[in-house]
Amino acid sequence: QSVLTQPPSTSGTPGQRVTISCSGSSSDIEDNYVYWYQQLPGMAPKVLIYRNNQRPSGVPDRFSGSKSGTSASLVISGLRSEDEADYYCAAWDDSLSSCVFGGGTKLTVL
Amino acid sequence: EVQLVQSGAEVKKPGESLKISCKASGYSFTNYWIGWVRQVPGKGLEYMGIIYPGNSDTKYSPSFQGHVTISVDKSTSTASLQWSSLKASDTAMYYCARHIAYRTWDYFDYWGQGTLVTVSS
Repeated sequence: QSVLTQPPSTSGTPGQRVTISCSGSSSDIEDNYVYWYQQLPGMAPKVLIYRNNQRPSGVPDRFSGSKSGTSASLVISGLRSEDEADYYCAAWDDSLSSCVFGGGTKLTVL
Repeated sequence: EVQLVQSGAEVKKPGESLKISCKASGYSFTNYWIGWVRQVPGKGLEYMGIIYPGNSDTKYSPSFQGHVTISVDKSTSTASLQWSSLKASDTAMYYCARHIAYRTWDYFDYWGQGTLVTVSS
């Protein structure tokens, strides 16, 4: 069982906006940055959002992140078929002294 | 160009030992932490641990401490992950990844292609 909790799946149609949640605790999300990774089918993960809401160069501004208290969210606007992937949140956990991932959310573009 | 190239897929029997590798190129190997992430087939990502090639400082996730060993060979810019006695539950894809920061936790900016380890009798 993952330390960070994500919904197992979500879906949307092209052009829609989808939100993926990530729930944690005071030892991880509340006191540390949140990161989001995208894993396309058969590929290695890739960072989408770092330090709660920052996008690496090359990541479209359709992807945005936010954090409030012990929860974080990834929002994908203007959904596209190529966004179909697994999405993982991650954070440092002070009590474990370790990085922890969420269980992942599978996004299906209908 | 930064690249992390991992060794090929392995098929092993329970109880056997194994060492998989991750060869880095395109940057100063000793200046960035290298981490390992496990992904059991059909499941999520699990952080295993991380090593700083400059001084071999190594930190393990509590879930993996004592079960695996992370090491580096600076002469070949290669990080490794090894098991002394594999179990069927070690069957997974293993990724190495470069960590972008030195002093504080941040993110993995470059990833290897993954090494699939299958443990079966």
